Amino acid sequence: QLQLQESGPGLVKASETLSLTCTVSGGSIRNNDFYWGWIRQPPGKGLEWIASIYHSGSTHYNPALKSRVAISIDTSKNQFSLKLSSVTAADTAVYYCARHLYYMDVWGKGTTVTVSS
Amino acid sequence: QSALTQPPSASGSPGQSVTISCTGTSSDVGGYNYVSWYQQHPGKAPKLIVYEVNKRPSGVPDRFSGSKSGNTASLTVSGLQAEDEADYYCSSYAGSNNWVFGGGTKLTVL
Repeated sequence: QLQLQESGPGLVKASETLSLTCTVSGGSIRNNDFYWGWIRQPPGKGLEWIASIYHSGSTHYNPALKSRVAISIDTSKNQFSLKLSSVTAADTAVYYCARHLYYMDVWGKGTTVTVSS
Repeated sequence: QSALTQPPSASGSPGQSVTISCTGTSSDVGGYNYVSWYQQHPGKAPKLIVYEVNKRPSGVPDRFSGSKSGNTASLTVSGLQAEDEADYYCSSYAGSNNWVFGGGTKLTVL
């Protein structure tokens, strides 16, 4: 059974870079059929798609965040990662990684990231 | 791209049916049959309950059904049960390898 697990610092200082990794187990990230993506949820608010990457390395970004976001994939470690630069309090959220086609069918449990001033 | 529009809340009594709407534009909901719905209980990750407008993943009860008309998609929960109380989010493919979510609807079972 495919499982995704987010990892990374729970506290990031304002203006610095948030870095998260999603480790995929129970299946290969090289699967040709799927994208691997990041979605976030600020406290008490809705979901926001951030970015996705295909196993080939092609990347896709939310236009609203594109200038600050980078997504990468390491097929040898079965992991993909997110970097979000110049963070502010507005980037405080639960960050989820997910597998998807046109819908997200497998989600990680999420990791809370708080941006401190 | 803007978030899809959902009502902030919905409610119904056990056994009743409730419908949650999700309004977008011709660039997302209206342009593709790639609307999906997610159920999220407090403190938990979202769970896919409907995909490609009206398909259900294995294990999702047939009490959950989806539909679409024009730029508006809908999720209907029939035979409401206490465990259906949760937040529900719609999502749509928005073209050019972009995805958009709705703001979420809190469903209360009275």
